Amino acid sequence: DGGITQSPKYLFRKEGQNVTLSCEQNLNHDAMYWYRQDPGQGLRLIYYSQIVNDFQKGDIAEGYSVSREKKESFPLTVTSAQKNPTAFYLCASSEGPYNEQFFGPGTRLTVL
Amino acid sequence: DAKTTQPPSMDCAEGRAANLPCNHSTISGNEYVYWYRQIHSQGPQYIIHGLKNNETNEMASLIITEDRKSSTLILPHATLRDTAVYYCIVARPDQTGANNLFFGTGTRLTVIP
Repeated sequence: DGGITQSPKYLFRKEGQNVTLSCEQNLNHDAMYWYRQDPGQGLRLIYYSQIVNDFQKGDIAEGYSVSREKKESFPLTVTSAQKNPTAFYLCASSEGPYNEQFFGPGTRLTVL
Repeated sequence: DAKTTQPPSMDCAEGRAANLPCNHSTISGNEYVYWYRQIHSQGPQYIIHGLKNNETNEMASLIITEDRKSSTLILPHATLRDTAVYYCIVARPDQTGANNLFFGTGTRLTVIP
């Protein structure tokens, strides 16, 4: 089956630790995205990548880092510099600009 | 960037049509209107999108006004499984042409038995 997978579904970390969230897609999509969602809020764009080895900051990139070494993978690292990391993180991919985005199931990160 | 305005919540009786409005009065000529929905604690699900013509697929219909300043998503026969938050989004191309979707708070649709 084609789709987007994110793992794990729930993640707990201690304050001050870096943590990496996984996102994999087998849709052969060029573009991938990371969003953050806080309770009762809409999605906010963290980073996006249009093509392998290239990525751009979104609206709230501070405290996050990404890499795009392979077309199918776009991991997000939440660093200790992110002041409020507890949130629901969603990864998405699209075939290209103006194509609809397909979302993964999300990872709920809780920093204790 | 074009912003969208949606009512925070709506109710719809099961089996009836759900009409979800969206205002996007500052939309520019090359921006598309997208609709997504999100069931609690899941990833958003794509529903439909359009530029200026009305669109229909197996899930819904999208009606865009002639001046493109507003649109309506229509779920023709709402079911309990359609209870979700519905996001109306205007696609904004950045300098490199990426399709960045700006999600607001959406409309919480509750389908009532």
